[in-house]
Amino acid sequence: GQNIDQPTEMTATEGAIVQINCTYQTSGFNGLFWYQQHAGEAPTFLSYNVLDGLEEKGRFSSFLSRSKGYSYLLLKELQMKDSASYLCASVDNAGNMLTFGGGTRLMVKP
Amino acid sequence: GAVVSQHPSRVICKSGTSVKIECRSLDFQATTMFWYRQFPKQSLMLMATSNEGSKATYEQGVEKDKFLINHASLTLSTLTVTSAHPEDSSFYICSARISSTEAFFGQGTRLTVV
Repeated sequence: GQNIDQPTEMTATEGAIVQINCTYQTSGFNGLFWYQQHAGEAPTFLSYNVLDGLEEKGRFSSFLSRSKGYSYLLLKELQMKDSASYLCASVDNAGNMLTFGGGTRLMVKP
Repeated sequence: GAVVSQHPSRVICKSGTSVKIECRSLDFQATTMFWYRQFPKQSLMLMATSNEGSKATYEQGVEKDKFLINHASLTLSTLTVTSAHPEDSSFYICSARISSTEAFFGQGTRLTVV
């Protein structure tokens, strides 16, 4: 089975940096996704990591450590529009099914 | 880019009626699609895996006779909520993977049963 944990809520200030952590315990692992979801909308793809290390994409970076079962999403130069839920999801061995964590609701304040 | 189109985006139905939600892959063929349900302030919960040309695989606790899934072609999967009740009110989202690194979601369907 899959067990994925991430903090429920976080608050940060506009212009700052925030790190959202995700730990996972899975019987099979084939990569980890991060998604952003605004209220009432479908999730949008942010990143995919399958190898250890940091992947940077503009203001967003994602890190994975397979040996530790740990990932984080790093958001720099926070903007008000970054207020959303951030979901991490692991991929099963078959490479198809996504299992989601509970999501982290990020509030960015002025 | 690849797009997954889902409709309707919102539907209100009376208790006891059935509602069909469609999920289409617009510029790629999806042999497998996934249906998720999301209650307010909660994460996405996988309901079932829809396989083209065969029966869907349902997650534990999801009633297959209540949530009928049909994947008749490589570009269309449908979810029918039968005999809907107020507790079925939720956000339903379909998803398809087109490669090992890309997964796309439909726009989601907000179902309200009154």
